[in-house]
Amino acid sequence: EVQLVESGGGLVKPGGSLRLSCAASGFTFSSYSMNWVRQAPGKGLEWVSSISSSSSYIYYADSVKGRFTISRDNAKNSLYLQMNSLRAEDTAVYYCANSGTLLGAFDIWGQGTMVTVSS
Amino acid sequence: SYVLTQPPSVSVAPGKTARITCGGNNIGSKSVHWYQQKPGQAPVLVIYYDSDRPSGIPERFSGSNSGNTATLTISRVEAGDEADYYCQVWDSSSDSVVFGGGTKLTVL
Repeated sequence: EVQLVESGGGLVKPGGSLRLSCAASGFTFSSYSMNWVRQAPGKGLEWVSSISSSSSYIYYADSVKGRFTISRDNAKNSLYLQMNSLRAEDTAVYYCANSGTLLGAFDIWGQGTMVTVSS
Repeated sequence: SYVLTQPPSVSVAPGKTARITCGGNNIGSKSVHWYQQKPGQAPVLVIYYDSDRPSGIPERFSGSNSGNTATLTISRVEAGDEADYYCQVWDSSSDSVVFGGGTKLTVL
């Protein structure tokens, strides 16, 4: 079964850090680009970051550039998002999703992990 | 940055056809993908590359893209189609993924 499972979410104070993980199974992880998308409570989808299959290309939304770092470990079939200098507006459910290419559709999505930034 | 505009809501009676638009400057030159999201669930891809359907998505779902508007069409709407729908493109000028604001489909 093709599956993505996020973990690492939780409650963190403003200015704090958190590292999200996404474990992939059921497909050849190293052949796919991977993405993070977030959704604030009651709001729409917001793209966060994308990484190509070999990590050669990495892109970020302006809202997280310089604070978040995306990475992957193809040997471990895992995707990561290191989030630093967190703000209240980063509060959201964070989804990982795969795509055939950086331009492609997000085929499979995880169930999401909640990140709450609050004092 | 590139902006995608969707109507906040669309209402349709069961058995009728729903059309959800996604407006953007010369969007017809881009590839548009559509997602369905039901409350408390992750999004699901329903249309990719303007008009292709993933396996498992009913033929009632179709897409088109031309000029400044892309459209998701849902024929013979069912109660189970009630959800939020989002369009998405890759903007090569800014190397970023862009989502529309989402449209809530209500089945009357």
